[in-house]
Amino acid sequence: GAGVSQSPRYKVAKRGQDVALRCDPISGHVSLFWYQQALGQGPEFLTYFQNEAQLDKSGLPSDRFFAERPEGSVSTLKIQRTQQEDSAVYLCASSSPRLALGEQFFGPGTRLTVL
Amino acid sequence: SQQGEEDPQALSIQEGENATMNCSYKTSINNLRWYRQNSGRGLVHLILIRSNEREKHSGRLRVTLDTSKKSSSLLITASRAADTASYFCATDGGGADGLTFGKGTHLIIQP
Repeated sequence: GAGVSQSPRYKVAKRGQDVALRCDPISGHVSLFWYQQALGQGPEFLTYFQNEAQLDKSGLPSDRFFAERPEGSVSTLKIQRTQQEDSAVYLCASSSPRLALGEQFFGPGTRLTVL
Repeated sequence: SQQGEEDPQALSIQEGENATMNCSYKTSINNLRWYRQNSGRGLVHLILIRSNEREKHSGRLRVTLDTSKKSSSLLITASRAADTASYFCATDGGGADGLTFGKGTHLIIQP
């Protein structure tokens, strides 16, 4: 497809379960970003990859959050031992240095609900 | 933590009226962007204004930036029902940075 895709679109987890959220960026985009958006709030930056290198993970809220992009394309955000406060929409965005001013294209998000 | 604050938090107007949303931020920026988010859809980039620009237009959108006050405004003229959405400002330091978003303004256009 032409845009950023994310799966699953919805995920319900019991507290304590591990979850894995997938992001397929736009083909050829070297930069990939993850954001967390709580209900009624704006997105908050989690982490950033350039190709397979994770260059910034300053926004990850705890060591239960882990992101990877082993081949520089698809990325997975993993949350271990989920807590209720992890309930949010997780957005992925991709970008290319060839784009003017680093415009980021966002996927539809994965809505995570932790019961 | 989020840097920007939009006001109002919610705005309801009649179709055809103009809608103005404001955004304030705290630190120095290179660029400020406005995004729209509809229910169930991703964020859509609307317009970008650079730190050395004061005003920019795109169709029915007009954005202003006042770096001395660390604030920006988004004006949507001749609003339509399809403009109903949440609007966010986002700042960056230039290049491939993560964006810092505000809390957003929820705009409702009544037919």
